[in-house]
Amino acid sequence: GQQVMQIPQYQHVQEGEDFTTYCNSSTTLSNIQWYKQRPGGHPVFLIQLVKSGEVKKQKRLTFQFGEAKKNSSLHITATQTTDVGTYFCARGLQGAQKLVFGQGTRLTINP
Amino acid sequence: GAVVSQHPSWVICKSGTSVKIECRSLDFQATTMFWYRQFPKQSLMLMATSNEGSKATYEQGVEKDKFLINHASLTLSTLTVTSAHPEDSSFYICSASQGRLTNYGYTFGSGTRLTVV
Repeated sequence: GQQVMQIPQYQHVQEGEDFTTYCNSSTTLSNIQWYKQRPGGHPVFLIQLVKSGEVKKQKRLTFQFGEAKKNSSLHITATQTTDVGTYFCARGLQGAQKLVFGQGTRLTINP
Repeated sequence: GAVVSQHPSWVICKSGTSVKIECRSLDFQATTMFWYRQFPKQSLMLMATSNEGSKATYEQGVEKDKFLINHASLTLSTLTVTSAHPEDSSFYICSASQGRLTNYGYTFGSGTRLTVV
């Protein structure tokens, strides 16, 4: 249905290692947004992907949207302690303004 | 950038009382705002869509009479948790957008941590 499945639920890495979280849908997505929520904080918008096969980069973060627009990923290169938090993907429902969030991937980092 | 102010940031109330949470868009008009609920270490669950000048649209399973939403102006939406019980304790977050889904995404308030004792 409308849900987006996000994996893994948790990821613990050593500082400097890479990190990837994946978001999957059984139906075609009109768009996908990514948010970061620091511990104790609120979600902060990172990026929106709209086009099939789209790849966007923000410094060490790389966002991809699948060719079939059913999956997306966020990859962080050489993690830093400031990357700690929970990363959520969220699908926008076509024709509506509301977002449906994935379960989130909680990233912890060993300095 | 867009700023959404949410107040209070935390509140403790007695069981059976009501609590009002305010969500304001500070530098833009928001005809639509959204209210989410988040339990510890879980995702954000959309509770309702708040529409300026009209009734809110509630998600399935959310009690309309318990979670009263009012969106009386283009910059303010309120969520009132009526007759609160301990199971209503949660993190409530509002969000708003400057328009239909855009490259700016949604801006979230800082959230309200409600504890019902």
